[in-house]
Amino acid sequence: NAGVTQTPKFQVLKTGQSMTLQCAQDMNHEYMSWYRQDPGMGLRLIHYSVGAGITDQGEVPNGYNVSRSTTEDFPLRLLSAAPSQTSVYFCASSQTFWLREKDNEQFFGPGTRLTVL
Amino acid sequence: DAKTTQPTSMDCAEGRAANLPCNHSTISGNEYVYWYRQIHSQGPQYIIHGLKNNETNEMASLIITEDRKSSTLILPHATLRDTAVYYCIVRVPPGNQFYFGTGTSLTVIP
Repeated sequence: NAGVTQTPKFQVLKTGQSMTLQCAQDMNHEYMSWYRQDPGMGLRLIHYSVGAGITDQGEVPNGYNVSRSTTEDFPLRLLSAAPSQTSVYFCASSQTFWLREKDNEQFFGPGTRLTVL
Repeated sequence: DAKTTQPTSMDCAEGRAANLPCNHSTISGNEYVYWYRQIHSQGPQYIIHGLKNNETNEMASLIITEDRKSSTLILPHATLRDTAVYYCIVRVPPGNQFYFGTGTSLTVIP
């Protein structure tokens, strides 16, 4: 298993440009999520999905869109990049969303480092 | 709302036990405590979790107080590779949303 993969590893954008950060997992996990991490800070939840076709907002959703057309993929779209979106973005997945699964740990990808000029 | 409080940083001598505290005084009865760590700027890595009882796995031990208002992660024999930021997270029902705080930066000293 490759686990959770993210592309690209690094990206530089100009203000106003759009782009899509890719995330894929090969573990047949239902739950996927996106976080951002600013320097010296913990991770903050942007959006999450409990299964194909279902998405919802996290703590900091403004400026980002997501979709979940397949179980494997969960892309994050920046419609009009702003300098405030300069951050490291992490994608994560877990078997299910629901706490009934005792060992429902999240697996994180390696991150995408985004700079918006 | 991180729901946890951790010291900003700690040092530990190589080979000694590292004890990382976490306060979660507002925790509810059905909320799990999870620990993750982040080495350099890699993706966070799962360490251990618990609800009421103490837990141990190949990486660490988790001690949860009887009133569940605090917990301690124990790395029994710290190595230089354990230098990382350690996050204590309370997982809020019904689902798998994690709210990270700023964590504890652990430095293992040779």
